Amino acid sequence: KAGVTQTPRYLIKTRGQQVTLSCSPISGHRSVSWYQQTPGQGLQFLFEYFSETQRNKGNFPGRFSGRQFSNSRSEMNVSTLELGDSALYLCASSLARGGGSEQFFGPGTRLTVL
Amino acid sequence: KNQVEQSPQSLIILEGKNCTLQCNYTVSPFSNLRWYKQDTGRGPVSLTIMTFSENTKSNGRYTATLDADTKQSSLHITASQLSDSASYICVVSSIYNTDKLIFGTGTRLQVFP
Repeated sequence: KAGVTQTPRYLIKTRGQQVTLSCSPISGHRSVSWYQQTPGQGLQFLFEYFSETQRNKGNFPGRFSGRQFSNSRSEMNVSTLELGDSALYLCASSLARGGGSEQFFGPGTRLTVL
Repeated sequence: KNQVEQSPQSLIILEGKNCTLQCNYTVSPFSNLRWYKQDTGRGPVSLTIMTFSENTKSNGRYTATLDADTKQSSLHITASQLSDSASYICVVSSIYNTDKLIFGTGTRLQVFP
């Protein structure tokens, strides 16, 4: 069974631009969660999608948004990029919603904002 | 406030030695606790998942213990290898909010030859 895939793996953008990251979950998994990871903060929860609906949201500004498609693939969008958005963005998929089901992480997208 | 704290923040050991990483949590009531290993620049990989009724769980050279009374968990690595160099993250979920995971900030382990 293929694991969680994320594209692109690396991305360089400049301040003010917007970016879209993609995540394909493990086949059969319906829950996709997104996390931001920076060296000082560890993993910070962004949001979780289940059956195309956002079920949970972390404490991030509205510039961060996402969506999930009917095939469970998910995209995350960040608008008006800031230097502080430079981070490793991870997505994780699970059969059921986050806490009760094992999460499998993708390799991440390394975003650098210049 | 539900929190997960890990110690030490970083650790350096020699290849072949054992080490123990600590995780203290205030999440209550507690549903399950997970340990993840994360290599630099990669996504975390699950090592163990324990419910409140489990005291210990092993995965090869990794053994996790849980004391639900003191709200402490430890991850013991036996006969460390260079490939054990990574960050180890403790994650806890609450019964009341089982769809939210609370992450520790991790312990950075470096194993030298």
